[in-house]
Amino acid sequence: DAKTTQPPSMDCAEGRAANLPCNHSTISGNEYVYWYRQIHSQGPQYIIHGLKNNETNEMASLIITEDRKSSTLILPHATLRDTAVYYCIVRVNFGNEKLTFGTGTRLTIIP
Amino acid sequence: DGGITQSPKYLFRKEGQNVTLSCEQNLNHDAMYWYRQDPGQGLRLIYYSQIVNDFQKGDIAEGYSVSREKKESFPLTVTSAQKNPTAFYLCASSLQPWPSDGYTFGSGTRLTVV
Repeated sequence: DAKTTQPPSMDCAEGRAANLPCNHSTISGNEYVYWYRQIHSQGPQYIIHGLKNNETNEMASLIITEDRKSSTLILPHATLRDTAVYYCIVRVNFGNEKLTFGTGTRLTIIP
Repeated sequence: DGGITQSPKYLFRKEGQNVTLSCEQNLNHDAMYWYRQDPGQGLRLIYYSQIVNDFQKGDIAEGYSVSREKKESFPLTVTSAQKNPTAFYLCASSLQPWPSDGYTFGSGTRLTVV
């Protein structure tokens, strides 16, 4: 059962902001939104997560809509090294629920 | 530096043979996981272990086996019963309860059946 929907691919010019959308219309009140990315032939890397407030760290910003049915991951100044598959995941922040990865968005940064 | 080490990076196996993939972590994480990834696909959970000497099946456990005799180690055996074992295998770990930075992944093992 897919909990999130992401576009299969996106392009972004180097130096511009990359905005990656994610729909999670069935998200429940205690589920967080997590973002990971996977550079080719490597393990996924954690980027950021949030519940309902916008979050920012050294890698990215996460904007969650007020109804929490969608979110956007923002890479403020994309570089060629940001080319990767980006996964949006929702899950509760406790218990034994495991991470479930969909097919994600393949982001290509164009020089 | 703390992290997860998977070995080998590349592995070739003849049909009908069992093969074991290694996963070691020095992060003092309680939980460990094995995922499989096929080309162009997301990750699918094979097995996971929340504590030493205990593990549970994930979504695609058939043809695989695991053990968790030590906190640091969670080896995965791909048996001859796995019908299509060629894939990229990823090991991960996490603290319990669920930490703010989620899972830490290894760099993966690419298994090819020849």
